[in-house]
Amino acid sequence: DAKTTQPPSMDCAEGRAANLPCNHSTISGNEYVYWYRQIHSQGPQYIIHGLKNNETNEMASLIITEDRKSSTLILPHATLRDTAVYYCIVRPRGFGNEKLTFGTGTRLTIIP
Amino acid sequence: GAGVSQSPSNKVTEKGKDVELRCDPISGHTALYWYRQSLGQGLEFLIYFQGNSAPDKSGLPSDRFSAERTGGSVSTLTIQRTQQEDSAVYLCASSPRSGVPDTQYFGPGTRLTVL
Repeated sequence: DAKTTQPPSMDCAEGRAANLPCNHSTISGNEYVYWYRQIHSQGPQYIIHGLKNNETNEMASLIITEDRKSSTLILPHATLRDTAVYYCIVRPRGFGNEKLTFGTGTRLTIIP
Repeated sequence: GAGVSQSPSNKVTEKGKDVELRCDPISGHTALYWYRQSLGQGLEFLIYFQGNSAPDKSGLPSDRFSAERTGGSVSTLTIQRTQQEDSAVYLCASSPRSGVPDTQYFGPGTRLTVL
């Protein structure tokens, strides 16, 4: 699997947009970018995933650069409940690639 | 609908004892995964089931660890002769299918403490 690089921690003011970067410079063409988050003492929660196009759902937006070497997760209006560790994961498609390989993630703290 | 459930939520055991951890996946999900998260560490893959078979057991740390899944539903992770380094949160996840980039839905985990 391609490795990802994320900043270890970030702060964001409540109500502002939180932009979490991820570098995946060795990503290959058949690999998806996934984002999960883990709120303290809970299991990881799926946020969003994409291949090459930008994606948006009710939780967040995912912006993938044209060369696919990096991406940004955007939480448009951060709340205190968004304080969590955010994991960017690159995962190949196809059988034999089912497991998720978590890195150390970004600890996002939303400041009141 | 109901999510992934795990039991017990907490388990304290003595070194050398065997423990069984249970996972009930989301109904209809064919794929099931076990991960663990040690204090201050990231999430580590243990084993993956498709139906009742386990195509990928590569993450099991030793032969003291085993898992089974019956009826394509409930799974049990068994740790024999527990050691203190087995202390961790054991997480189960399920997804509707495998072989495609499917979303994995995680349970709340079982916190295992080996004294």
